Formats: sequence, structure tokens, C-alpha cells
Amino acid sequence: DSGVTQTPKHLITATGQRVTLRCSPRSGDLSVYWYQQSLDQGLQFLIQYYNGEERAKGNILERFSAQQFPDLHSELNLSSLELGDSALYFCASSVVGELGEQYFGPGTRLTVT
Amino acid sequence: QQQVKQSPQSLIVQKGGISIINCAYENTAFDYFPWYQQFPGKGPALLIAIRPDVSEKKEGRFTISFNKSAKQFSLHIMDSQPGDSATYFCAARGYGGATNKLIFGTGTLLAVQP
Repeated sequence: DSGVTQTPKHLITATGQRVTLRCSPRSGDLSVYWYQQSLDQGLQFLIQYYNGEERAKGNILERFSAQQFPDLHSELNLSSLELGDSALYFCASSVVGELGEQYFGPGTRLTVT
Repeated sequence: QQQVKQSPQSLIVQKGGISIINCAYENTAFDYFPWYQQFPGKGPALLIAIRPDVSEKKEGRFTISFNKSAKQFSLHIMDSQPGDSATYFCAARGYGGATNKLIFGTGTLLAVQP
């Protein structure tokens, strides 16, 4: 158990809908990362937050957004969902610094029908 | 330049054998190279990591070999066990410090036969 929690484990929704994925980082970790894992794209970095502020962006679609709250939990919002958004979404957390080892949560499996 | 190339895509090893997975990168700004192990239905788990100022790091049966001049690194699993059967990802960290985003290889599916 990495100490990173994610809810829900599974999510099934229809095209055009909006969903919110939630992540709680390990105790003491200020940085949260979101990754998408799909068969065709592999593990792709989406976005990083550090202590409530956006720090880095990857290939995140404009339909996707995220935020980190004062209690350090993070939410990833996916809107106008398309079939191609079906994937595993992972949250990771780390301390920021020279090591910055990232620890991943168990993921949320999103299925868009 | 942001890619990490990983090979092979899949690997079958007999129990007790050595599993070797290779990765290559181009961006010399990468400063941290972790390996992750992922079992079906689970999140990636950090296995071992190395920085480019070290040529080798060993933890138990797992060893990373790093060749800075060739921009290549590899994972060696000694005395491979059926419980090691999983997907392995190499990764590289771009721009250390506050932006620790990881760039992942495409993964290697390892099957260790009893």
C-alpha cells in the first residue's frame, strides 16, 4: 500500500458526461501528479500540483482540468467525455526536491460508453 | 527528445534465470531514472531508482545498470521468480526540483515460468 488513495475505483459513464476523480496524497506529500494509462498511449503525465498551485502540464486535453485543495487532496475533472477517454487514471504524490520519488495510487478505471 | 524507449515489449524467463530490460533516452537533462513494477489491476509501484552520477545500483535481486555516455539504462532481475511476473516500466524525470514529472517507457510484460 503506497499511502495514496483514489476514489472511485471504477466509473462507467456515457459520452458527453462529466466526471470527477479524487485523490488523497501520502501524509506529508505536497505534490500531486495525475497520469493517464491507456493501451495505445501508455502511461502519460497529465498535470502536477504543488501545495495548491499548478506546477507542470503535460498532454492534458482542454476538456480536462484539475485542482488541489488546502487539505492537499486533488480532483481531476473530465468533461464532454469521449469513448477515447476510457483509461486508467492514476494519481501519484511525492515530496518535492532532489529525490522526489513518486508513489502511485491504485487508480480509477474510467469506461465511457 | 522527451521519449524513453523501452525493450523488449515482452519477455519470458525460466524460474531462476536473469531478466533484462533495456531503456534508452535522448534528453541529457533527465536527472533521475526510476523503475516501476505493475501488477494487473494495481498502480505502478516504485521498485528501484538511480541518478546519472552512479553506474550501478543494487537492491536485493534488482540491479540498475546505467551508461551515461550511451544514454542507456537497464534493469536486471536476478534469480527471477514467478512472483516477479508483472509489467515493468522504466521512466525518466524531466527537469528535477519542483517539476518532477515522469516520462515513461512503453512497458515490458515479464512472465517467469516455473
